Amino acid sequence: DTAVSQTPKYLVTQMGNDKSIKCEQNLGHDTMYWYKQDSKKFLKIMFSYNNKELIINETVPNRFSPKSPDKAHLNLHINSLELGDSAVYFCASSQEGHTGNTIYFGEGSWLTVV
Amino acid sequence: LAKTTQPISMDSYEGQEVNITCSHNNIATNDYITWYQQFPSQGPRFIIQGYKTKVTNEVASLFIPADRKSSTLSLPRVSLSDTAVYYCLVGDGNAGNNRKLIWGLGTSLAVNP
Repeated sequence: DTAVSQTPKYLVTQMGNDKSIKCEQNLGHDTMYWYKQDSKKFLKIMFSYNNKELIINETVPNRFSPKSPDKAHLNLHINSLELGDSAVYFCASSQEGHTGNTIYFGEGSWLTVV
Repeated sequence: LAKTTQPISMDSYEGQEVNITCSHNNIATNDYITWYQQFPSQGPRFIIQGYKTKVTNEVASLFIPADRKSSTLSLPRVSLSDTAVYYCLVGDGNAGNNRKLIWGLGTSLAVNP
């Protein structure tokens, strides 16, 4: 059973297109995240949701819009894709309510904008 | 904003012990220090977590001094399969009630035969 699953794993698209990445977790966690990892391997948090409510929204262009229909799902929609959006996007989840930071990551979605 | 610093890369040989240190000033007083491992084409995965002193599990040990301004991940007798990027993760002590997680930039460990 995959704990955090995201689709698609690979996505190649043209500039200006709109695309979505879906994420689901079956761990029963309350908090879900989207991270972006660039070519230099730097992990940058984009969004965090707790029980379907947005709690962290880092400095991300408003072309990126997360949507959480329920606490097990957090999808990422990207409008008007740009070359600089090419990166690996990781979905993750954790159980809040304690001070530990055990975050479970998905396998990543490789986005290439051409 | 709290900041973490860890070496960009390290080289080792099979069978050696590897110690990777992360400096993290001003971390949240009630937050844990966590280390993750990331293989190519995969998401980061949890290795070990601690609050203070020493923690050991089947994979690694984590040493945290009393001031908690640094932590050292220790991998005993590394093998080729330990070649990966290792990240430390802490909570930001400046974030107040809005808990903010600070990721290190990662240490790329290469284990050679």
